Amino acid sequence: DAGVTQSPTHLIKTRGQQVTLRCSPKSGHDTVSWYQQALGQGPQFIFQYYEEEERQRGNFPDRFSGHQFPNYSSELNVNALLLGDSALYLCASVLSPNYGYTFGSGTRLTVV
Amino acid sequence: GNSVTQMEGPVTLSEEAFLTINCTYTATGYPSLFWYVQYPGEGLQLLLKATKADDKGSNKGFEATYRKETTSFHLEKGSVQVSDSAVYFCALIPINQAGTALIFGKGTTLSVSS
Repeated sequence: DAGVTQSPTHLIKTRGQQVTLRCSPKSGHDTVSWYQQALGQGPQFIFQYYEEEERQRGNFPDRFSGHQFPNYSSELNVNALLLGDSALYLCASVLSPNYGYTFGSGTRLTVV
Repeated sequence: GNSVTQMEGPVTLSEEAFLTINCTYTATGYPSLFWYVQYPGEGLQLLLKATKADDKGSNKGFEATYRKETTSFHLEKGSVQVSDSAVYFCALIPINQAGTALIFGKGTTLSVSS
């Protein structure tokens, strides 16, 4: 059973560019969350999608946006990239939160 | 607000030593509590969880007990192995938020030598 799949695994972008990261949730999971993990820090919650709608949002600017598709997969878009957006972006999926989220291996974004 | 505080790392142990990583939380009511582990270059893996007071979560020799009176969820293992070297994150899901986002501590790095 495949877990959470994220793509790409690494990418390098230039300041001011836009980026799209993709996530396929674990089979049977319908809720997807995105987290940003800076080097040496704990993950910070960006937003959560359920039934194709953003259900909860963390303290991130509007440059960060997302989407969930009917098959529960999700995208994270970041516009006008800043150097400070360099981080590991983690996608997590769940059916029932108290069972614990399943995380993907992440996308390492470097902004130069 | 809701938050998680973990002991500062790194924690350096010899193989077969006893491990404790302290975690305390601030939250109203009874949040669900989790420990996640992150191996180098990988995402997070759920290690164990507890959803109500006095619950004990356990997995792979690791244990943690939900202590409401001390708002703590300390991670313990009786005998660590080199393969346990990783970063450990304590996390909670508050009950007083409109959603189920995880709130993480900053993580504690464990290094075990043979």
